[in-house]
Amino acid sequence: NAGVTQTPKFRILKIGQSMTLQCTQDMNHNYMYWYRQDPGMGLKLIYYSVGAGITDKGEVPNGYNVSRSTTEDFPLRLELAAPSQTSVYFCASRGGDSRTDTQYFGPGTRLTVL
Amino acid sequence: GNSVTQMEGPVTLSEEAFLTINCTYTATGYPSLFWYVQYPGEGLQLLLKATKADDKGSNKGFEATYRKETTSFHLEKGSVQVSDSAVYFCALSDEYTGNQFYFGTGTSLTVIP
Repeated sequence: NAGVTQTPKFRILKIGQSMTLQCTQDMNHNYMYWYRQDPGMGLKLIYYSVGAGITDKGEVPNGYNVSRSTTEDFPLRLELAAPSQTSVYFCASRGGDSRTDTQYFGPGTRLTVL
Repeated sequence: GNSVTQMEGPVTLSEEAFLTINCTYTATGYPSLFWYVQYPGEGLQLLLKATKADDKGSNKGFEATYRKETTSFHLEKGSVQVSDSAVYFCALSDEYTGNQFYFGTGTSLTVIP
């Protein structure tokens, strides 16, 4: 299993540009999440999904959109990028039995908006 | 609401020293508690977890005990190694908002030879 994969690893955007961060998991997990991690800070939840076709806002959803058309994929869309969106973005999925239930994280996408 | 508070870092220790990273939580229900570790340039990885009061999670020499009376889940290791240098995050998942995880701000640990 590849686990959770994210692309791209790095990206530089200009203010006002748009982009999609890709996230794919091969563990057949229903739950998926997008977080952002600012320097020296913890993770803030942007959006999450409890299954294909179902998404919900987290703590910091403004400026982002998501979709979940399949169990495997959970892309994050940035419209009209702003410097405040400079961050490292992590995708995660959740699964396992009562003993192993936890989140599994991708390697992250480092985004800079100039 | 739910929240996690971790001790401020960074923490610098000599190899073989004893490590404690404090974590306390606030939760509306009976949460599961987690410690994650993040190595430079990587995503978070589960280090250990505990799902009910008095449970002890352990992995790679690290331990943490779920203390309901003090709402704490402190991470300990008896003898740290240089390879333990990383950022450690405490987190909780509440049974009432089980879809979401709540993370502390992270504690950076550097172990020097």
